[in-house]
Amino acid sequence: SQKIEQNSEALNIQEGKTATLTCNYTNYSPAYLQWYRQDPGRGPVFLLLIRENEKEKRKERLKVTFDTTLKQSLFHITASQPADSATYLCALPKYNFNKFYFGSGTKLNVKP
Amino acid sequence: GAGVSQSPSNKVTEKGKDVELRCDPISGHTALYWYRQSLGQGLEFLIYFQGNSAPDKSGLPSDRFSAERTGGSVSTLTIQRTQQEDSAVYLCASSLAKGIPGELFFGEGSRLTVL
Repeated sequence: SQKIEQNSEALNIQEGKTATLTCNYTNYSPAYLQWYRQDPGRGPVFLLLIRENEKEKRKERLKVTFDTTLKQSLFHITASQPADSATYLCALPKYNFNKFYFGSGTKLNVKP
Repeated sequence: GAGVSQSPSNKVTEKGKDVELRCDPISGHTALYWYRQSLGQGLEFLIYFQGNSAPDKSGLPSDRFSAERTGGSVSTLTIQRTQQEDSAVYLCASSLAKGIPGELFFGEGSRLTVL
């Protein structure tokens, strides 16, 4: 099965700075990788998807990179705001999409 | 409704009782997933339904857990003879179709507490 590692320690940054979160995986290389945001007491919400043939994907203040050689994805939030404070999860599909493997998430705290 | 709906949102039960958790996916979504999330942990896959195909039950932790999906829509996750280690948030997600790399739409979850 796929193993996904995300930094379990919370990331604390100052408002306006860039937050960078890491997702490392082992075993097979997936066709794509997703990032989700989860607020306390809520279900995860989809943010971005990046395919294996894409090096980088952007959406507003969000940027995701995907390095299939390193088996790593980086998730960046530029000009971070306190409202960005949440837990961010990465997810990889199994080859036949019958399940998604999720990391345990990294908690981001953006201080004003 | 516009999103995935789960009920109950909170359930407190005594050890040994049976519980049923319900998921109403987004209309037209053929894929439905159940996940479990323990405090501070990631999402643990439980079961997957896709259209009329046989479900993938490979994530169910024991035979006390079962799920069904009626008419390709509403799904019920049943836990028999609940144990304290079953306490967690049970999340349901639906998605548009198999084989298309798209997003999972999650419900708000059912928080189960077994005393």
